[in-house]
Amino acid sequence: GAVVSQHPSWVICKSGTSVKIECRSLDFQATTMFWYRQFPKQSLMLMATSNEGSKATYEQGVEKDKFLINHASLTLSTLTVTSAHPEDSSFYICSALYQGAAEAFFGQGTRLTVV
Amino acid sequence: AQSVTQPDIHITVSEGASLELRCNYSYGATPYLFWYVQSPGQGLQLLLKYFSGDTLVQGIKGFEAEFKRSQSSFNLRKPSVHWSDAAEYFCAVLTGTASKLTFGTGTRLQVTL
Repeated sequence: GAVVSQHPSWVICKSGTSVKIECRSLDFQATTMFWYRQFPKQSLMLMATSNEGSKATYEQGVEKDKFLINHASLTLSTLTVTSAHPEDSSFYICSALYQGAAEAFFGQGTRLTVV
Repeated sequence: AQSVTQPDIHITVSEGASLELRCNYSYGATPYLFWYVQSPGQGLQLLLKYFSGDTLVQGIKGFEAEFKRSQSSFNLRKPSVHWSDAAEYFCAVLTGTASKLTFGTGTRLQVTL
């Protein structure tokens, strides 16, 4: 199946700093990627839909100025958590839509800890 | 609006026993349905999906699911559970032109030896 690589797998940062998470589709082109946030023992919450070459579409309640999404190429989307605070600590997962199969493939997730 | 309900938060089964995880959906049109599995600290792996056709769908790792339109259900089954099946299982429905996945709250499966 198609492979989506997410990097880094885990990151620790200080409050007030920014962190960038990358999501790459390794063997297919993805015009659409999705970013999710998952709290411990909970389901995935869709944060935003990232479309190549255009602005991301954010879900209600998600701060677009805090969670910056860039989808500059057909194989790469990035999520930047700006001015991170401890409450931003979470597990972030991306997925890339493989339109040929009408299926989304997921990255392995990034564990963000803000101290 | 579309929604997915997984009534069971936590299920424990003995190794070798059969398993059924429940999933109910609410969606106006014909749904595209998925089951994913997530190991701790990992992303999601697709077990199986239903788009149309045969309502009994076979997936990886010996899992199957049956789509029942009359009951708005898409339950996941496995005849004999292995200890390595212990994980979190998510049912999801693909909706809308933006191809968004709406997830259920998940069912945590524990397998006792």
